[in-house]
Order: sequence, then C-alpha cells, then structure tokens
Amino acid sequence: GQQLNQSPQSMFIQEGEDVSMNCTSSSIFNTWLWYKQDPGEGPVLLIALYKAGELTSNGRLTAQFGITRKDSFLNISASIPSDVGIYFCAGQKRTNAGGTSYGKLTFGQGTILTVHP
Amino acid sequence: SAVISQKPSRDICQRGTSLTIQCQVDSQVTMMFWYRQQPGQSLTLIATANQGSEATYESGFVIDKFPISRPNLTFSTLTVSNMSPEDSSIYLCSVGDAGTQYFGPGTRLLVL
Repeated sequence: GQQLNQSPQSMFIQEGEDVSMNCTSSSIFNTWLWYKQDPGEGPVLLIALYKAGELTSNGRLTAQFGITRKDSFLNISASIPSDVGIYFCAGQKRTNAGGTSYGKLTFGQGTILTVHP
Repeated sequence: SAVISQKPSRDICQRGTSLTIQCQVDSQVTMMFWYRQQPGQSLTLIATANQGSEATYESGFVIDKFPISRPNLTFSTLTVSNMSPEDSSIYLCSVGDAGTQYFGPGTRLLVL
C-alpha cells in the first residue's frame, strides 16, 4: 500500500527551541493535513494545505505543501510544554465511492515530541 | 468543524465476543470513516461509510469481521466481531470531505 515517510520518529527538545518535522511520499497528494494527538484523545487537526507551494501558519505552527506535491513539513517555533504529543502528517487523495467524491487519508508514522521545561 | 462523540470510550472484552462502537456527529455529513490505531502505531483506514450504501472496505479488512451500519447522516456503528487479542486497538470515527477530516475521541478496546 501507499506509504508516507515521516521523520524524525521522535524528538527531545528544550522549551523555547524550534522544531521541524517532515513527510515524504512516492506519490502525489491533493491535500496535506497535520494532526496532533494527545494521550487518550483522537487526532486534532492543526493545519490543512491545499495547493502546491502553499505556506500556512496557525499561531506558532507553520506548514508547507511541497512544490512536487509529494512532501510537506511542519515547524513549531518557541516550543512550550503543552506542545508535547504525537504529530501526524496525512496525505489526502480524492476518490469516489457510491457516486460521492471524498478525500482518502494516508497517515505518516508519527513524530513523538517531548519538551523539557 | 464537526463535533464527534463515540461510545463506549473504552472497554475490556473477552476473546470470541463482539463489540459495537457508536459514532454520533452533531451535523449531517455524507461520508464517515472508521480507523484503527494499534498500540504505538499510526492510523489505518478500515472502511468508508456513505449513508444509503454499503461500506467500502480497505485491503485487509472484511465486512464479516468489521460490519458497519450507516442508518442516517449523523450516525454510524462499527462492530468488531469474534474478537481476539490482536484486535486490541483504538478505533476512531472520522468525518470530512475532500478538504479536511475531523476525528472523534476514539474507543479504546482491550481484548483478553
């Protein structure tokens, strides 16, 4: 099946440092999504990217949709302890089922972020 | 974004039994999705449920093991049938369209 390679697998950083993680794929996606999952919770959508080259910010988070449409990165600036969690990238392709068009997600393996105060 | 609730939030079940997980959305949606997240792993799509038609299952998942109902535009159920310890996972309901997807809080299942 389709694979997304997300790196790094884990990061241990000091509070205040910047963080960068990325995802690459062998195939093209229509949309890139970035999620954060806290323990015991479902993934929460952080940023959605819809066009190749698009750069989007959400507070201290910045994400970009790669020009080739096969990759995306997420940056977190000035990390704080509540940034701790697992971050997932997801590539979305449009497909059809029962005559309805929808987006089918493929997830990366996740990046476990630990922030030391 | 949609508000999604799931029941139960967690359960411990004996092997050979079945569990039905409910997903309720606060607005009408066309497509609902069911994912599995095995311990320490990423999310894997089980099936897509479109109201009024049979669910579409991904490779490796079959209807006999994971029957899905989608009786209306705000509700769906996933049943995990004839459970084994390998079915211990988080099961997540999701809704969305061709732009975004939002997830419920998940159902944590432990099979003994």
